[in-house]
Amino acid sequence: EPEVTQTPSHQVTQMGQEVILRCVPISNHLYFYWYRQILGQKVEFLVSFYNNEISEKSEIFDDQFSVERPDGSNFTLKIRSTKLEDSAMYFCASSDTYSTSGAPTDTQYFGPGTRLTVL
Amino acid sequence: AQSVTQPDIHITVSEGASLELRCNYSYGATPYLFWYVQSPGQGLQLLLKYFSGDTLVQGIKGFEAEFKRSQSSFNLRKPSVHWSDAAEYFCASLHSNSGYALNFGKGTSLLVTP
Repeated sequence: EPEVTQTPSHQVTQMGQEVILRCVPISNHLYFYWYRQILGQKVEFLVSFYNNEISEKSEIFDDQFSVERPDGSNFTLKIRSTKLEDSAMYFCASSDTYSTSGAPTDTQYFGPGTRLTVL
Repeated sequence: AQSVTQPDIHITVSEGASLELRCNYSYGATPYLFWYVQSPGQGLQLLLKYFSGDTLVQGIKGFEAEFKRSQSSFNLRKPSVHWSDAAEYFCASLHSNSGYALNFGKGTSLLVTP
């Protein structure tokens, strides 16, 4: 069964450093998402991406964050200058689209997550 | 604003016993509702979803959930829990008229005892 993969599984970085989290969505999916979960808190939406541009973003997704689809398979989340409060589990997800409307289908498939620790 | 509430942070049940995990949503219109499960080291796996129609939905691994509009609830149930069901369970909602971002509850951690 196709699945979403994420690398690395764990990332430790120093405050102020840049990190790039990588995701390989399911191959025929066209909508991609990033979510995060700070320890002890709920999973929060960060951003969705379609047709090489951001479709929607939350207030969490400020100028420190960016997303990119650098090639036909990868989808990345970059944090330019990490803060202590960026420590969290980051989940990538993807969804298929309806052929008639191009809207995403309602089921999002999640990867195993990358645990980011900022020291 | 839409919200999803999971009142129970931790639940402990004995293997073979029945299980019910609670989820309440707050939104004017009926949202799309989901239950996801996260086992240690794994991603979020979809158990089941409700969009419309029959209010009792069946999912994978023997789980079911019932949508009750009058109670704004979408509780997850399983008649007989197995040790492998120990995991974190998340209820989530989606409102297509406010984008496609899933709105998650805080999760319920299930412990299964012998």
